[in-house]
Amino acid sequence: EVQLVQSGAEVKKPGESLKISCTGSGYIFAAYWIGWVRQMPGKGLEWMGIIYPGDFDTRYSSSFRGQVTISVDKSLSTAYLQLTSLEASDTAIYYCARRAISTDVTRGHFDFWGRGTPVTVSS
Amino acid sequence: DIQMTQSPSTLSASVGDTVTITCRASQNIYSWLAWYQQKPGKTPKLLIFRASNLESGVPSRFSGSGSGTEFTLTISSLQPDDFATYYCLQYDTFHSFGQGTNLAIK
Repeated sequence: EVQLVQSGAEVKKPGESLKISCTGSGYIFAAYWIGWVRQMPGKGLEWMGIIYPGDFDTRYSSSFRGQVTISVDKSLSTAYLQLTSLEASDTAIYYCARRAISTDVTRGHFDFWGRGTPVTVSS
Repeated sequence: DIQMTQSPSTLSASVGDTVTITCRASQNIYSWLAWYQQKPGKTPKLLIFRASNLESGVPSRFSGSGSGTEFTLTISSLQPDDFATYYCLQYDTFHSFGQGTNLAIK
């Protein structure tokens, strides 16, 4: 069974940093891209970026480039999302999701999702 | 970046109704579009991929159509469990979501 298990809820103060994890199991972790999606309170889904564990190829949304860092540890089957200099506006749920392999290997929807990591930034 | 414009943002309907949600892409995305359902406090659930392919286990009252820049999600004979928020996702060039459609009970 495919599972993406995310790290637990976080409460941070403005200016602090944060690293969220997403551990995959039940499939060949290195063979599937892992994406990150933000959902601010009461708002929609926003694609942040994506990483391919096989070769560490990483792509970012123009909205998040320079604001976050996506990384992976293949040996742990774990992807990470790092946020620095946190602000109240970073308060959100952060989801990781696996990109499906489709007939076009360069494209894929998200087929499995983690449960989300709630992050609260407050002084 | 490819922009996805989803409409309407809110939709009120009754059990048994048929509803349609539209997503328009800012450029040709061929058929690289998926639809998700999300309920409050829950993870998004995949309904449709490649514009019209029903994900395994999803009821057949959900259907998707379209290609190029215009796509629709149709839910026939609405059931109480269908009241939720729906998102489209383009995956032709990286990924981007529509703004969401909140389907509420009339």
